[in-house]
Amino acid sequence: GAGVSQSPRYKVAKRGQDVALRCDPISGHVSLFWYQQALGQGPEFLTYFQNEAQLDKSGLPSDRFFAERPEGSVSTLKIQRTQQEDSAVYLCASSLLQGGNTIYFGEGSWLTVV
Amino acid sequence: KNEVEQSPQNLTAQEGEFITINCSYSVGISALHWLQQHPGGGIVSLFMLSSGKKKHGRLIATINIQEKHSSLHITASHPRDSAVYICAGGGATNKLIFGTGTLLAVQP
Repeated sequence: GAGVSQSPRYKVAKRGQDVALRCDPISGHVSLFWYQQALGQGPEFLTYFQNEAQLDKSGLPSDRFFAERPEGSVSTLKIQRTQQEDSAVYLCASSLLQGGNTIYFGEGSWLTVV
Repeated sequence: KNEVEQSPQNLTAQEGEFITINCSYSVGISALHWLQQHPGGGIVSLFMLSSGKKKHGRLIATINIQEKHSSLHITASHPRDSAVYICAGGGATNKLIFGTGTLLAVQP
């Protein structure tokens, strides 16, 4: 596709439910990032992939959060046993190479945990 | 302490005014990104700077590496420029540290 595509755009989950958020980066983009943006706040880094390798997962807030990119293209962010504080917009971004390149953001997946 | 500091947090301007948003960043940041986010919308990259100045239409971004400071200017502002403008610092991997954002409202 022409841009970074994320799905679902909106997700309402009951507390304790598992959710999976998908990101389709721009074709050929090596780097893929997940960010979490709480309401009224700036995005916070979650994790980073270079191709299929997860090089940095220092921002994942707990072991309930898991991300993968098995074939170096599509990535999935999984949140187990969701809690209310997980409610946020989850942004995926990709760039062609590493640092110093324009980064392209998806529209985000809006997660509300009730 | 956030490694990227942005000001002002809120800015209201009249249509046609020249607008400046400032960003200061810490050591370790080698590329500075200016991003735009409309309410309820996604984030769009405006500029990526590691030195000098870039211009796109009515938008100008400058960076002073020695002072670790960058500015985003909007000339002849228009109500459609109303959005949140975010500066974000990146390093070798493009992992970004975001500023708090500037909420710009341009009134007709």
